[in-house]
Amino acid sequence: GAVVSQHPSWVICKSGTSVKIECRSLDFQATTMFWYRQFPKQSLMLMATSNEGSKATYEQGVEKDKFLINHASLTLSTLTVTSAHPEDSSFYICSARGLGNSGANVLTFGAGSRLTVL
Amino acid sequence: AQSVTQPDIHITVSEGASLELRCNYSYGATPYLFWYVQSPGQGLQLLLKYFSGDTLVQGIKGFEAEFKRSQSSFNLRKPSVHWSDAAEYFCAVSNQAVTALIFGKGTTLSVSS
Repeated sequence: GAVVSQHPSWVICKSGTSVKIECRSLDFQATTMFWYRQFPKQSLMLMATSNEGSKATYEQGVEKDKFLINHASLTLSTLTVTSAHPEDSSFYICSARGLGNSGANVLTFGAGSRLTVL
Repeated sequence: AQSVTQPDIHITVSEGASLELRCNYSYGATPYLFWYVQSPGQGLQLLLKYFSGDTLVQGIKGFEAEFKRSQSSFNLRKPSVHWSDAAEYFCAVSNQAVTALIFGKGTTLSVSS
């Protein structure tokens, strides 16, 4: 139980275009989603926290207009990288928090999405 | 400020040898501590976690970790490493059981035959 699906797992786009990454909780309701960014050989850095039905809270230094996060339902959050540039190339990982089947809070990570901007 | 330090960037261990990956944290309150493993191009898999109680925590895949408050450490150990253990290992800390995590920079484990 407590499975998170992230899609696409790998995407290449041209500079200036926008890319949407989806994070879905498959068997539980995710009240909160966390979005991380991971540069090659680096740690995961928290970008933003989103609660269902509310605006996302961004970490300091993260451009909210470039990285649009939507959490419109209890099973889906999306990250849209707008007007992508090569420096946005990275590995993006989501994690979802919600009540698992046992009734306890769970925190599960998606498999990540690798974005390459040409 | 909250932080996690993994002093070793890269470790190579012979297959069958024991392993210890170091993790030190800086946290004002009682920390919740985690170890995750990441295979190339993959997401994170939780190995184990410490919230309270017994300071020696058992995890999956034969891993264990020991919380030492006096040393602000949460080192990961495995008595006998398998080639499939080669991966990136991340230590993380938070102030709650299920919330955003602060990650260390990771330790790359290579296993030699």
